[in-house]
Amino acid sequence: AQTVTQSQPEMSVQEAETVTLSCTYDTSESDYYLFWYKQPPSRQMILVIRQEAYKQQNATENRFSVNFQKAAKSFSLKISDSQLGDAAMYFCAYRSGSYNTDKLIFGTGTRLQVFP
Amino acid sequence: NAGVTQTPKFQVLKTGQSMTLQCAQDMNHEYMSWYRQDPGMGLRLIHYSVGAGITDQGEVPNGYNVSRSTTEDFPLRLLSAAPSQTSVYFCASSYRQGRAEAFFGQGTRLTVV
Repeated sequence: AQTVTQSQPEMSVQEAETVTLSCTYDTSESDYYLFWYKQPPSRQMILVIRQEAYKQQNATENRFSVNFQKAAKSFSLKISDSQLGDAAMYFCAYRSGSYNTDKLIFGTGTRLQVFP
Repeated sequence: NAGVTQTPKFQVLKTGQSMTLQCAQDMNHEYMSWYRQDPGMGLRLIHYSVGAGITDQGEVPNGYNVSRSTTEDFPLRLLSAAPSQTSVYFCASSYRQGRAEAFFGQGTRLTVV
C-alpha cells in the first residue's frame, strides 16, 4: 500500500521569506502523480502544484516549486516570497497512474503560519 | 460553472440516526470520491467511483454506503450514525487521468451526539 508522510505538523515563515515543506512517500508503482493541496481557513481544498513521476523536471507554478527526488521518494514544496495569504494547511497527496482507481492518498498536513 | 456542490454544509445528528450527504458535479467527471478529514489525520478515502454504476471501498468504508446511478451525483449515506463519525466530509471529482486535478466540494461538518 502507498503511504504519504509529512513530518512537520507546523511551520512558520516571515513574510517575503522562503519556506520548504517536506513530504515523503512510499510506493512500488512506477506510474504515479504527486500533488500539493492548500486548505485555508475557509476549508476549501485548492490545488497548488502537481508533479508527474515520469518527468525529471521539477514542477513550478509562480512562487511555488517542488523538489522531486524520485529515488529518495521525496516531494518537498518551496514557497518563495511568502505572503500572508499563504497561511494555510498544506497537504501532500499521491495518486496512482492506474485508470481503475481514484485513490488520492494524503499526508497528515503541515500548518503554515506567515508572520508580517 | 458550479463545480462540485456538497450539501449540507453543517449537520448535527443523534446517535443511531441516518442521513445522506449529497454531492453533485457538473463537469462531466468520471471519478468521484468521498473523504473524511479528522484532526491530525489528513483526508482519508471512504468510497470512490470510477464511473456510473461502479463503486469501491477506500480506507475507511465501515458505516457508510454509496451508489452512483448517474455521472453527476454521488451521495454518501450514513446508515446508523455514531460519535466516531463526527468529522468534516469532502466530496471530490476529477477526470479519468492520474494527473487530473481533483475538485473538492466545500465540505460538510458533521457532528454526531
